[in-house]
Amino acid sequence: KQEVTQIPAALSVPEGENLVLNCSFTDSAIYNLQWFRQDPGKGLTSLLLIQSSQREQTSGRLNASLDKSSGRSTLYIAASQPGDSATYLCAVAPLRDDKIIFGKGTRLHILP
Amino acid sequence: ETGVTQTPRHLVMGMTNKKSLKCEQHLGHNAMYWYKQSAKKPLELMFVYSLEERVENNSVPSRFSPECPNSSHLFLHLHTLQPEDSALYLCASSLGTGLGGYTFGSGTRLTVV
Repeated sequence: KQEVTQIPAALSVPEGENLVLNCSFTDSAIYNLQWFRQDPGKGLTSLLLIQSSQREQTSGRLNASLDKSSGRSTLYIAASQPGDSATYLCAVAPLRDDKIIFGKGTRLHILP
Repeated sequence: ETGVTQTPRHLVMGMTNKKSLKCEQHLGHNAMYWYKQSAKKPLELMFVYSLEERVENNSVPSRFSPECPNSSHLFLHLHTLQPEDSALYLCASSLGTGLGGYTFGSGTRLTVV
């Protein structure tokens, strides 16, 4: 059964720093992996979607990498800003399941 | 707007009321989902619809009744809810089940009094 783990559960960093959020999954048989952002009490906003054949995706200050063989993905945020404060969720679409599996998220706080 | 629209954004209802949540997408997606998110808890998948057919029901109490009249619309009918049902209800859609690439709505914040 696919399991998705996100470390750390919470992170506080000063504004301007570059940071990395980690996501690991137990079964490398995935269709794709998706990173989301959730602000308190709001819906999920899709940040990046990486297909299993891709190694990385970039959008602005965000870069997500995927190493399927080792079961890992990272979300790199450059030059962090207070507006980046949110919960970041990673989700994988397993090949042998019809729904995505979420990690529990990393709660990020950027200190002004 | 994300492409998935949920209404209402907020809902307060008594335990004897009947209300419905609505979700609409015009992304050409064939799969739609209802999720529940309680305070400080992970997302819980409630229902999955593929091409208007329910393909999964994750042991959800019968006081929650989904309806998918077409591939663009999804409803969640609520009746005789309990205070512990208060949560954020999120709708999502994807091109198909098993293909990932979900788009979520902004959610309905439900409070049962």
